[in-house]
Amino acid sequence: KNQVEQSPQSLIILEGKNCTLQCNYTVSPFSNLRWYKQDTGRGPVSLTIMTFSENTKSNGRYTATLDADTKQSSLHITASQLSDSASYICVVSAPPGNTGKLIFGQGTTLQVKP
Amino acid sequence: EPEVTQTPSHQVTQMGQEVILRCVPISNHLYFYWYRQILGQKVEFLVSFYNNEISEKSEIFDDQFSVERPDGSNFTLKIRSTKLEDSAMYFCASRQEETQYFGPGTRLLVL
Repeated sequence: KNQVEQSPQSLIILEGKNCTLQCNYTVSPFSNLRWYKQDTGRGPVSLTIMTFSENTKSNGRYTATLDADTKQSSLHITASQLSDSASYICVVSAPPGNTGKLIFGQGTTLQVKP
Repeated sequence: EPEVTQTPSHQVTQMGQEVILRCVPISNHLYFYWYRQILGQKVEFLVSFYNNEISEKSEIFDDQFSVERPDGSNFTLKIRSTKLEDSAMYFCASRQEETQYFGPGTRLLVL
């Protein structure tokens, strides 16, 4: 069964600190892996997207890595800000095809404290 | 910047009633999706829509659900006879290339 698992479930860090979120997936084959940020009560917003041939992608203070051999990805947040408090969701695009169906992880809830 | 919009933002309905959730995708996008998120759970795929027909649907998307693109701008999700377990946040998304853009969601509460 296609699965996306994330860890930790929740994380609290101090403003200015770095953190790394983990994702393991069993979707195979897959088209691409994305990280989304979801604020409470809002829709997910795309942060990064990587195909199986890419192993790192940056978007400002967000850096995602992908190891397609071990089926693991991470999202590193540098110099965290209060506005980074949100749920970060690892999402894998299902077997290649035009539908583009996304398979979501359960998310890591990040809280940045002053 | 263009964005996906959804109406209403909140909907409260009685069990057994029909509801229609509305979405306006980004204008030049061709692929449309509905997802739902039950409180505290992960986002789940419901259905994808392309070229005026359903291209894929999940097990959740049973006969009680239907989608429609009645005109060139709207994309709707209809639940014919709502159940308590349909209470969730429903997200519409539209796709350009590989990126799906999500709307703000409609929070549906079935009493």
